[in-house]
Amino acid sequence: GENVEQHPSTLSVQEGDSAVIKCTYSDSASNYFPWYKQELGKGPQLIIDIRSNVGEKKDQRIAVTLNKTAKHFSLHITETQPEDSAVYFCAASSEDDKIIFGKGTRLHILP
Amino acid sequence: EAQVTQNPRYLITVTGKKLTVTCSQNMNHEYMSWYRQDPGLGLRQIYYSMNVEVTDKGDVPEGYKVSRKEKRNFPLILESPSPNQTSLYFCASSLTGRQPQHFGDGTRLSIL
Repeated sequence: GENVEQHPSTLSVQEGDSAVIKCTYSDSASNYFPWYKQELGKGPQLIIDIRSNVGEKKDQRIAVTLNKTAKHFSLHITETQPEDSAVYFCAASSEDDKIIFGKGTRLHILP
Repeated sequence: EAQVTQNPRYLITVTGKKLTVTCSQNMNHEYMSWYRQDPGLGLRQIYYSMNVEVTDKGDVPEGYKVSRKEKRNFPLILESPSPNQTSLYFCASSLTGRQPQHFGDGTRLSIL
């Protein structure tokens, strides 16, 4: 079955710098890759997603890239702000719609 | 406002005492699901429902039941809770497909 690895588990970046979180997946049939942001005491929030027919997608300061050949995808956050501090989860989903989550990255934005 | 509402938010109970966690969504979504979140294990799907009266097992269904009698509600039932079900639980919904779009704010269950 699908396995999703996420790195790093913790990431600290200076405010204003960029943050990159990487995920790899094992099932070449996976075709949908969402990213979720979870703030303290809240449920995960879908922030961006990408499908396998697209290599990159941007939404303001966040972007996701997908390399199907290497089976990895990444979340990029530019010009980080204090409110970006949260736990971020990647996920991969295939044709049967089953979704597997990575174990999360705790992002700290340092003042 | 689009919402997935879970109740209760916190519950401490004892082994074997049946409990129900309610979940309701106001977006007319067809698809609803339950997840548990444990340290080091991430989010794992317990059960999902593609529509009224249609439910199916996720990755960790043992010890749980669900029902979907109405489109908006998807309760999670623990008939005989055990300590290994102590966890943070999330209900989620989406318009179509198993990939969750909206999550509730979670229910923290402690089974003593």
